[in-house]
Amino acid sequence: LAKTTQPISMDSYEGQEVNITCSHNNIATNDYITWYQQFPSQGPRFIIQGYKTKVTNEVASLFIPADRKSSTLSLPRVSLSDTAVYYCLVGDRGAGSYQLTFGKGTKLSVIP
Amino acid sequence: DAGVIQSPRHEVTEMGQEVTLRCKPISGHNSLFWYRQTMMRGLELLIYFNNNVPIDDSGMPEDRFSAKMPNASFSTLKIQPSEPRDSAVYFCASSLKGSLANEQFFGPGTRLTVL
Repeated sequence: LAKTTQPISMDSYEGQEVNITCSHNNIATNDYITWYQQFPSQGPRFIIQGYKTKVTNEVASLFIPADRKSSTLSLPRVSLSDTAVYYCLVGDRGAGSYQLTFGKGTKLSVIP
Repeated sequence: DAGVIQSPRHEVTEMGQEVTLRCKPISGHNSLFWYRQTMMRGLELLIYFNNNVPIDDSGMPEDRFSAKMPNASFSTLKIQPSEPRDSAVYFCASSLKGSLANEQFFGPGTRLTVL
């Protein structure tokens, strides 16, 4: 079971780029790295997923080094509406990934 | 699509009472998950169904909790008897494929308060 470690909280000013790093030292060969975002009083929402190198979509970028023991979620030019909790998860997309845990995530506070 | 639907959105009950939470997954999704979220423990997976069959219920805290999925469009999470420590937000999520690592779509949650 690949365990993840991420900072409990981060603060950022509006307009800045925010990078949240997640450690997953015992990631397995078939594991993918997935990030979710959760706003207050809502369920988590999928942001991005990757296996290696870099993945980019309209919301964020995900950087994964060659050893895959960590990953960094990058949010460009954050706004107040990006204030949320961000979760890093690691798991196998094939059948049998039964023990994926969200944990407590990283609480990002964007300051005007 | 309306997304994952949960009911009720809020539930207040007294200790010892039975509580039933309901979930309608997104049509066509094969997997359904029940989570519980508290400040102390974060978001915890309780149970996971694949094609209406419970796959892993190791996260269910104790025998007072039970979950069923009688068909592909409906699931229930029951707590009997309820206790104050069960107070939490309960989320239901569904996904297209049968793995937790695939994109999960969450419902709005049910906020349960047990007095």
